[in-house]
Amino acid sequence: NAGVMQNPRHLVRRRGQEARLRCSPMKGHSHVYWYRQLPEEGLKFMVYLQKENIIDESGMPKERFSAEFPKEGPSILRIQQVVRGDSAAYFCASSPSKSSNTGELFFGEGSRLTVL
Amino acid sequence: DAKTTQPNSMESNEEEPVHLPCNHSTISGTDYIHWYRQLPSQGPEYVIHGLTSNVNNRMASLAIAEDRKSSTLILHRATLRDAAVYYCILIISGTYKYIFGTGTRLKVLA
Repeated sequence: NAGVMQNPRHLVRRRGQEARLRCSPMKGHSHVYWYRQLPEEGLKFMVYLQKENIIDESGMPKERFSAEFPKEGPSILRIQQVVRGDSAAYFCASSPSKSSNTGELFFGEGSRLTVL
Repeated sequence: DAKTTQPNSMESNEEEPVHLPCNHSTISGTDYIHWYRQLPSQGPEYVIHGLTSNVNNRMASLAIAEDRKSSTLILHRATLRDAAVYYCILIISGTYKYIFGTGTRLKVLA
């Protein structure tokens, strides 16, 4: 049973380009979460999605960032017109339900975005 | 969101027990205490969680103070592979938003 798969693992973009990060949750998981981690900092919540629905995007910057989790295929985090401050590790996590008291979130290994 | 306070870093010798403390004085009755760890260049990994009673699993033990204002993650015999950043997180029952602090960076000495 494969874990949470993220790709690409590393992505380099020039300022103004677009970055697309993909996340395939664990089999049977319908809840996906995206987090961002700046160097030497903890993870910051960005968005929570279920299939075809954005449940909570309170951690997403209002501009240039969007996320989707279509009925078929992986979840996508899209960053338009990237700036140097977007350089970070982006982690995806999945769970079978939203309830935290039943246990764990399963994290992928992250996508590391570098903006030149 | 209730906050947690952890030491920035700790050191331990290999094969010795490690006690990682976490203060959460503003915890509410429905908050679960979760611990995750993040190895270098990897995503966070679940370690253990609990509500009121102490918990044990194959990775670690979680000791929760009687007033729940603090907890301690116990690694019974540290190995070099346990070197990681350990995060103590409070989660409101039935919610999903994990608030990560800066955690404790554990260094294990051979």
